[in-house]
Amino acid sequence: KQEVTQIPAALSVPEGENLVLNCSFTDSAIYNLQWFRQDPGKGLTSLLLIQSSQREQTSGRLNASLDKSSGRSTLYIAASQPGDSATYLCAADTQGGSEKLVFGKGTKLTVNP
Amino acid sequence: DTGVSQDPRHKITKRGQNVTFRCDPISEHNRLYWYRQTLGQGPEFLTYFQNEAQLEKSRLLSDRFSAERPKGSFSTLEIQRTEQGDSAMYLCASSLVVEELFFGSGTQLSVL
Repeated sequence: KQEVTQIPAALSVPEGENLVLNCSFTDSAIYNLQWFRQDPGKGLTSLLLIQSSQREQTSGRLNASLDKSSGRSTLYIAASQPGDSATYLCAADTQGGSEKLVFGKGTKLTVNP
Repeated sequence: DTGVSQDPRHKITKRGQNVTFRCDPISEHNRLYWYRQTLGQGPEFLTYFQNEAQLEKSRLLSDRFSAERPKGSFSTLEIQRTEQGDSAMYLCASSLVVEELFFGSGTQLSVL
């Protein structure tokens, strides 16, 4: 059974700092790994999707990496801004169709002005 | 607004009552998913549809839960005889291609 763990559970940083969020998964047989953002009381917004054959994906100030052999993914946020404050969730797709994404509990990020 | 729409945003009910939630996916999306999220946890898969066919259901979806997607358009999720443990955020998502999910804002259910 796939299990996804995110560390730390919460992170507080000053504005402008670069930061890394960690995600680990127990079953390396994944099709892809996705990172989402969730604002309080809201749904999820897809940030980045990394296919199993890829090592990383970039979108603006965000960079996500995937190391299947070690069961790890990281989300790097450059030059953090207060608007980045949210909960970041990673999810592993182990069936190839996104029908049953397995999510971590998330990392709550606070960027202080 | 052309995103995934969920209604209502909030629902408060008494234990034992039935509730129904609605999800309107992005119009051309043929796949529709339901997830449930409790406080401090990540979303958990409940069920998904391809067009009008319900293709998979999680063990989390007890007999009190039923989901439909008539005509492959909007979907409803009904919970009968609600229990306090049903209190959660119910999230709907849709997709056209299998990997890119678009989530709605969710329905927050509180069972008193």
